[in-house]
Amino acid sequence: EAGVTQFPSHSVIEKGQTVTLRCDPISGHDNLYWYRRVMGKEIKFLLHFVKESKQDESGMPNNRFLAERTGGTYSTLKVQPAELEDSGVYFCASSQDRGYNEQFFGPGTRLTVL
Amino acid sequence: AQSVSQHNHHVILSEAASLELGCNYSYGGTVNLFWYVQYPGQHLQLLLKYFSGDPLVKGIKGFEAEFIKSKFSFNLRKPSVQWSDTAEYFCAVNIPNTGFQKLVFGTGTRLLVSP
Repeated sequence: EAGVTQFPSHSVIEKGQTVTLRCDPISGHDNLYWYRRVMGKEIKFLLHFVKESKQDESGMPNNRFLAERTGGTYSTLKVQPAELEDSGVYFCASSQDRGYNEQFFGPGTRLTVL
Repeated sequence: AQSVSQHNHHVILSEAASLELGCNYSYGGTVNLFWYVQYPGQHLQLLLKYFSGDPLVKGIKGFEAEFIKSKFSFNLRKPSVQWSDTAEYFCAVNIPNTGFQKLVFGTGTRLLVSP
């Protein structure tokens, strides 16, 4: 069974540009989560989808971040325009049923904003 | 809001030494507790979890953790570490029965095991 995949693995962009990150969850997992780790700090929750609906977006930092999950399959996270403080590793995770069971994590996308 | 503290940011041990990584959380109610590990170049993966029942939880690769409710702690232990345990370890919590399933993580502990 394929795990959670994320694309790209690395992205280097300049301040003011736009970047779109993609996450493909494990097939059949209704729950999809985005997290972010800024260097040296904790992994922080961004948002949670149940199928195509946003269940919890309390962690989204501001309106420069837009997450979508059309059709309840893969998800994209767009940052527009990117700022220096957006640099970090963006993780995606998915889970079956309720997330009180295991959330399976992807490898992350390392975003560097110059 | 919930928070998780991992007091050891970097730990260096020799093979066969015993390991204990501290984890404390701040939340007065019922919590689910997790330890995740990220080996170099790999994904975050679950080591063990506690939802209820026996407060001593056994996980993969010989790891265990003990939930002490009175201390708000969930420390990770391994009696004898191996070089292959070199990794970053993350403690996390979530709150059951709220509909909000986000994990709240600690800052992580980097463990280096020297052969």
